[in-house]
Amino acid sequence: EPEVTQTPSHQVTQMGQEVILRCVPISNHLYFYWYRQILGQKVEFLVSFYNNEISEKSEIFDDQFSVERPDGSNFTLKIRSTKLEDSAMYFCASSDSTGELFFGEGSRLTVL
Amino acid sequence: LAKTTQPISMDSYEGQEVNITCSHNNIATNDYITWYQQFPSQGPRFIIQGYKTKVTNEVASLFIPADRKSSTLSLPRVSLSDTAVYYCLVENYGGSQGNLIFGKGTKLSVKP
Repeated sequence: EPEVTQTPSHQVTQMGQEVILRCVPISNHLYFYWYRQILGQKVEFLVSFYNNEISEKSEIFDDQFSVERPDGSNFTLKIRSTKLEDSAMYFCASSDSTGELFFGEGSRLTVL
Repeated sequence: LAKTTQPISMDSYEGQEVNITCSHNNIATNDYITWYQQFPSQGPRFIIQGYKTKVTNEVASLFIPADRKSSTLSLPRVSLSDTAVYYCLVENYGGSQGNLIFGKGTKLSVKP
């Protein structure tokens, strides 16, 4: 069964450092997303991406965040200058036109 | 987007049928009801989606009454591996693509 894969599974970084989280969506999907989940809290929408541009973003997705699809397979989330409160699980997801989202296993980010 | 309300937690025993009810009083005509499952430290996984009446797949059934103000996810004969958090979501088709609003979900604990 096709799946969304994410790397790294866990990253520890110092506050103020840049972090790039990588995702390989399911190959024939056209819509890509990032969500995050702070420990013990809700899954929160960050951004959706379609046709090589952001289609929607939440208030959480401020100027410190950016997304990119640098080639035909990868979809990345960059946090320019991490803060302590960025510590969370970051989930990548993809979907085709039917709308069912397929989530990856997540990347755990710990900011010290 | 319609707000959803569901029990915070439920307990069950192996082999029992589990019904989780979600209320969404402000559901709109274009809204669909979707349920996701999340295991600890994993991304949410789509279970089932419906608009009205009954939908069944290999995993679960979804019952939606005529007024669509509530829905019930039915898990037949649960096993220990069904212990997870179950999220009821209302999605607007024709609106935001993939901007899912997750609540706190229902934490189902299945005991032997």
